[in-house]
This record gives sequence, C-alpha cells and structure tokens, in this order.
Amino acid sequence: RKEVEQDPGPFNVPEGATVAFNCTYSNSASQSFFWYRQDCRKEPKLLMSVYSSGNEDGRFTAQLNRASQYISLLIRDSKLSDSATYLCVVKSGGYNKLIFGAGTRLAVHP
Amino acid sequence: DTGVSQNPRHKITKRGQNVTFRCDPISEHNRLYWYRQTLGQGPEFLTYFQNEAQLEKSRLLSDRFSAERPKGSFSTLEIQRTEQGDSAMYLCASSLPAANEQYFGPGTRLTVT
Repeated sequence: RKEVEQDPGPFNVPEGATVAFNCTYSNSASQSFFWYRQDCRKEPKLLMSVYSSGNEDGRFTAQLNRASQYISLLIRDSKLSDSATYLCVVKSGGYNKLIFGAGTRLAVHP
Repeated sequence: DTGVSQNPRHKITKRGQNVTFRCDPISEHNRLYWYRQTLGQGPEFLTYFQNEAQLEKSRLLSDRFSAERPKGSFSTLEIQRTEQGDSAMYLCASSLPAANEQYFGPGTRLTVT
C-alpha cells in the first residue's frame, strides 16, 4: 500500500464548477500536510499547507482529518488556469522528507 | 533568477554510461533534497543534505547512485552504469532549516536508450 493515496482522475469540469480532491495517508505519525500543484512538464509548487482547523486561500480550501488520516482540497469557481495535477503531500520523519501521492489531474474546460 | 537551478535540463544517454547532474539551491538554504519522478507518479525522495552532510538516503538510491554536496552549496547526483529504468525526471529542492516549504528546481529529464 502506498503511503499517500489519491484518485488519479482526470477530473474534467467546466469553468465555474466546484471540484473536490481527496487523499489518504497511512503513517499516523506524519507531521505536516500540503497540497502542491504541478503543471505539465514543470516542477511542483506549493499550493497551500493543510491545518487541522482547516484553512482557506481564496478559492481553495484545505481540510485535514487526523483521526481518519484524510486530507481534502476544494476548489471553487474553477478557472481554466487551474488545470494541472494536484499532489497530496505529507511530511514524515525528522528531516522534512516529503512523501507525495501520485497526483490528481484536473482539466477545466470552457 | 534566484530560484533553484538544475543542469542539464535534458540528458539522453546510452545504457551503461555514467551521467552527472548538478543542482544549485537558493543561496541561503542549507537543506537540499533530491527526488525522482516517473510518468504518472509523484516525486519520490532519494536523498537529503544538511549543509555538506548527507543525512538520509532512500532505499531507491542503489549503489549505482551517489550524491555529494562538497561545500554545502551546490550538489551533484551521479548515476553509474545507467539502466533504462533510470529514465525519469530528477528534481532538486531546497529549504531553510525550520521551514516547511521546499522550493523545487525545474528538474533534469534523463532518457536512457
């Protein structure tokens, strides 16, 4: 079983739609949680950190459920520019090593 | 450009050859990471440096792989006797000591023919 699991998608949605991605992680000792965004053939970039209390950044809302070991990302009012792969990421261990899920691909169409 | 840089951006090599990649982190970042990403997968951790010390290596890093960071600044990743299974994007990232965010370079895409 992979340490971080995501639905690979793709999610094909029209502009303006709300879309939600889910992720589960297996290591209960994981310390920090993130969503990274990766455009085609580009490097991953941090989208947002995820906190137990839930956090929002504009159209993006992230939630963490430590008891269920579950992380989510909600994107409201999707834009064409949101088309990318969204990587669920967990930090484990003492050296800030990042464990990535395989990513969920989002395609927003006009 | 003050971000993480990697060279070369692309490398095509024949099976059995040795290759070396370079990563220049953001100047004040003392933590440096190497990851490998294959098609359809997320990046996988390979190794970690704090300054010049290599503090963690993944089981993915076979004895054909070696990484160095001799002066605690740039780092090199060498693959000896390359195999077709080594074809991947090799990503370097750096961070500040107490920071969560890792900044990734553009990667080196290796193709082994």
